[in-house]
Amino acid sequence: QVQLVQSGAEVKKPGASVRLSCKASGYTFNSYFIQWVRQAPGQGLEWMGIINPSGGSTNYAQRFQDRVTMTRDTSTSTVYLELSSLRSEDTAVYYCTRSNVAATGRFDYWGQGTLVTVSS
Amino acid sequence: QSVLTQPPSASGTPGQRVTISCSGSRSNIGSNTVNWYQQFPGTAPKPLIYSNNQRPSGVPDRFSGSKSGTSASLAISGLQSEDEADYYCATWDDSLNGPLFGGGTKLTVL
Repeated sequence: QVQLVQSGAEVKKPGASVRLSCKASGYTFNSYFIQWVRQAPGQGLEWMGIINPSGGSTNYAQRFQDRVTMTRDTSTSTVYLELSSLRSEDTAVYYCTRSNVAATGRFDYWGQGTLVTVSS
Repeated sequence: QSVLTQPPSASGTPGQRVTISCSGSRSNIGSNTVNWYQQFPGTAPKPLIYSNNQRPSGVPDRFSGSKSGTSASLAISGLQSEDEADYYCATWDDSLNGPLFGGGTKLTVL
């Protein structure tokens, strides 16, 4: 069965960076895009960007362009999200999701989420 | 503030039919299909409706979706207590070149 398993919770200080992982299984890794979505406490969902595991091309939401990097390791079917220059407003649950096309609002599988807390 | 507008809350009694709206514009709902997600507290969103009106396997047929012009709706018939959750619409936006989510609607079963 398709699974996206994310890394554990993180606590970071303002200005630091965080690297989250998302390990995919149960399907052909290179055949689906991975997109990252975050949700601040009590707030809605916000798209951060997309990576194509086949080739590694990325497209980031404009507001995260200068702070986010998405990479993948095809040998372990794992995608990584790195967010730098963290601030308190980055406190959120970060989800990796799967989609079969890039230009879509349809995410058919979701990871369990990783809570990132930014606090001094 | 989300570009896709949803009512912040909705409510109904068991057995009732409730609808949740999602209003957008020509560059998003007007040009692309709409998807809906259901989210319970502390859990990841779950796909509920895709391509405007399609249900993934396992989703009861009490849930239905529709789209007209630049608006979409999620309808839940035969409301049950376990339907109490947050509901989000989502679609692609051609101007933004990325997906958009609605602000979410908290459904309360009275």
